Amino acid sequence: GESVGLHLPTLSVQEGDNSIINCAYSNSASDYFIWYKQESGKGPQFIIDIRSNMDKRQGQRVTVLLNKTVKHLSLQIAATQPGDSAVYFCAETTGGGNKLTFGTGTQLKVEL
Amino acid sequence: NAGVMQNPRHLVRRRGQEARLRCSPMKGHSHVYWYRQLPEEGLKFMVYLQKENIIDESGMPKERFSAEFPKEGPSILRIQQVVRGDSAAYFCASSPRGAGVDPLHFGNGTRLTVT
Repeated sequence: GESVGLHLPTLSVQEGDNSIINCAYSNSASDYFIWYKQESGKGPQFIIDIRSNMDKRQGQRVTVLLNKTVKHLSLQIAATQPGDSAVYFCAETTGGGNKLTFGTGTQLKVEL
Repeated sequence: NAGVMQNPRHLVRRRGQEARLRCSPMKGHSHVYWYRQLPEEGLKFMVYLQKENIIDESGMPKERFSAEFPKEGPSILRIQQVVRGDSAAYFCASSPRGAGVDPLHFGNGTRLTVT
């Protein structure tokens, strides 16, 4: 079946460096993508979203890039901080979809 | 504004008992979703409800699991005759216009342990 997956299960970065978390999706009909951050013992927290009519969207210290040709999504975090340590999930759906489909997650570890 | 509220945060049940998980969506949100998460895994969709209606239950096991979102009160996920494999974190999410339009807002989950 169709699924969303991540390339790297664990990513370690130095504090202050930029982080890039990648995600591949297989459903060509997907047109709405969301990144979530999940800290231990908590629910997923919305970070940023992007629709398929865009290639790039920026937030505060975060940027999401969408490459529809290769069905690839990435999350860039600038000047990574210890508070950014968490598991990051990409999720996708269609405009008329009833649900979000989540990837398996990437653990981001920020080293001091 | 209060976020999505789930209770209890932790629930311990013995095999064969019933588990009831409650979810109060954000104010103004009429779309409610339930997800299940096993340790070290992603979230798996279970069911999508709007007030008094089940819209999509394609991720819900056919037996022992049921969900409702009554006109008044919280959404309830009910698991009858629990087994150890039901041990997981169950998350509720809500949205004002649906998953394809707005991002889902999640609660902090109920961690169910079946002994």
